[in-house]
Amino acid sequence: DAKTTQPPSMDCAEGRAANLPCNHSTISGNEYVYWYRQIHSQGPQYIIHGLKNNETNEMASLIITEDRKSSTLILPHATLRDTAVYYCIVRVQIFTNAGKSTFGDGTTLTVKP
Amino acid sequence: GAVVSQHPSWVICKSGTSVKIECRSLDFQATTMFWYRQFPKQSLMLMATSNEGSKATYEQGVEKDKFLINHASLTLSTLTVTSAHPEDSSFYICSASGGANEQFFGPGTRLTVL
Repeated sequence: DAKTTQPPSMDCAEGRAANLPCNHSTISGNEYVYWYRQIHSQGPQYIIHGLKNNETNEMASLIITEDRKSSTLILPHATLRDTAVYYCIVRVQIFTNAGKSTFGDGTTLTVKP
Repeated sequence: GAVVSQHPSWVICKSGTSVKIECRSLDFQATTMFWYRQFPKQSLMLMATSNEGSKATYEQGVEKDKFLINHASLTLSTLTVTSAHPEDSSFYICSASGGANEQFFGPGTRLTVL
């Protein structure tokens, strides 16, 4: 799996957009970008994933650069409950053992009132 | 999203005993399951990958004889920590996949070995 680089921590004001960057400069053409988050002492929660195009769902938006070497997760209106560690992962599809998710250190997002 | 459960949610055991942790996919068939371990203030570390009906593939440095993984059905995988010691105390998390892009995580099991 490609290595990803994320800032260790970020703060965001409640109600504002949170923009979390991720660098994955060695991503391969068949690797997807996934975002998960982990609230303290819980299992990771899936947020969103994409290959080339920007994606949006009820939780967040994912913006992937044209060269696919970086991406940004956007939480449009952050709430206190969005305080968590956010992980950016790149991996191939899970057909074989190659499709495993390797977690880096993630970004600790703190949403402040 | 799909639901993955783990049982127990927490367990305390004496050193030298074995502990079994169950991971179930409740509303989908999981062809692949993953087991992770997470120490305090650290990220998740992948321990092994298991495909239903096959032997698990362990990551480098993970002792397969100590961490026994069984994936006997499409909805259940078990992790048995044999002869547990205090250094095995950790947060164990499983995840399950029923398709190419899916990976759903369980809530985790907190193991404390005295």
